[in-house]
Amino acid sequence: NAGVMQNPRHLVRRRGQEARLRCSPMKGHSHVYWYRQLPEEGLKFMVYLQKENIIDESGMPKERFSAEFPKEGPSILRIQQVVRGDSAAYFCASSPPGTSETQYFGPGTRLLVL
Amino acid sequence: AQKVTQAQTEISVVEKEDVTLDCVYETRDTTYYLFWYKQPPSGELVFLIRRNSFDEQNEISGRYSWNFQKSTSSFNFTITASQVVDSAVYFCALSNYGQNFVFGPGTRLSVLP
Repeated sequence: NAGVMQNPRHLVRRRGQEARLRCSPMKGHSHVYWYRQLPEEGLKFMVYLQKENIIDESGMPKERFSAEFPKEGPSILRIQQVVRGDSAAYFCASSPPGTSETQYFGPGTRLLVL
Repeated sequence: AQKVTQAQTEISVVEKEDVTLDCVYETRDTTYYLFWYKQPPSGELVFLIRRNSFDEQNEISGRYSWNFQKSTSSFNFTITASQVVDSAVYFCALSNYGQNFVFGPGTRLSVLP
């Protein structure tokens, strides 16, 4: 059973470009979470999605950031018009249906904005 | 509001020493989960343990043990006979049943040979 997959593992963008980060949850998992980890800091929750639904986006910046988890395909975290402050590691986690379940994390995408 | 505090920013020990990583949490929920994750230098997050708020039994897994004390809102993690491979950042996290996790800031453990 493959774990949570994220790609790309490393992404370099220039200021103003768009960044698209992809996350494929573990097989059988229908809940996806995105977290951001700034250098030398802990993880900060961004958004929680189920298939075709955003359940909680209280941690998402109001502008430039969006997330989706379509019926088919991976979850996408999109950052438009990136700025240097967006440089961070972005982790995706997934959990099976139901509450109270452990979240399993992907390897992360390291975004560097030049 | 939920909060997780890991007061130890960095800890250094010599191999074979025992080390305890502290975690103190705040929540108004009566039911919740607590977690520990390990982030080695390679950067991935490795799940170590989940503890239900109703289960205050301590747990031991090999060289790892966890002490959950609801009375003091603490969920401490002890590594016995530490090894160099234990060097990592360790995160404590709190979840209120299926919603997002709140992570502590992490404790960087360095185990010196």
